[in-house]
Amino acid sequence: DVKVTQSSRYLVKRTGEKVFLECVQDMDHENMFWYRQDPGLGLRLIYFSYDVKMKEKGDIPEGYSVSREKKERFSLILESASTNQTSMYLCASSTLQGAVGANVLTFGAGSRLTVL
Amino acid sequence: DAKTTQPNSMESNEEEPVHLPCNHSTISGTDYIHWYRQLPSQGPEYVIHGLTSNVNNRMASLAIAEDRKSSTLILHRATLRDAAVYYCILNYGQNFVFGPGTRLSVLP
Repeated sequence: DVKVTQSSRYLVKRTGEKVFLECVQDMDHENMFWYRQDPGLGLRLIYFSYDVKMKEKGDIPEGYSVSREKKERFSLILESASTNQTSMYLCASSTLQGAVGANVLTFGAGSRLTVL
Repeated sequence: DAKTTQPNSMESNEEEPVHLPCNHSTISGTDYIHWYRQLPSQGPEYVIHGLTSNVNNRMASLAIAEDRKSSTLILHRATLRDAAVYYCILNYGQNFVFGPGTRLSVLP
């Protein structure tokens, strides 16, 4: 069964700590994404990557950075965690379906981060 | 970004069909219509997508209006496990914009 695996389901960190959220996919997908999900706001795109070492800012990149050194792994980094970064973080991967096709996203189970 | 509009919530009885509507009046010719759903405590999962023609798969059917300005996700026989938030999304390339979705409750 194809999978996107997020390293931690639940994390509790303190304000100012550096936080790493890891995501690994086993589908050889080109594209990987990081979203955050907050009540009433839906899913918002933080960063995405369409190839190794490539990254593009999404809608809310401030306070985050990403790393993609290998095709299967996409890391989200909070350089100095703040309480407003308490959220559910969702990783996804995708590949184009067909010659002109749509991307279909496969999500991980999510990482719930609490910053105290 | 093209936007979608969905009802906040819907209710269905178990084993009855469910029709989840979505309006996307600003859709462009290259946008695909996607549906995802999110079960409690899980990440969203893909349900179905289409471009112009109606689509069927093992999970659901997607009916697309002739002018493509609206679509309907059809669950043929709702089960308790179908209770989830359903998202209608327009997609072109890597661009996905998730709205708040429709929370579907299924009553036994």
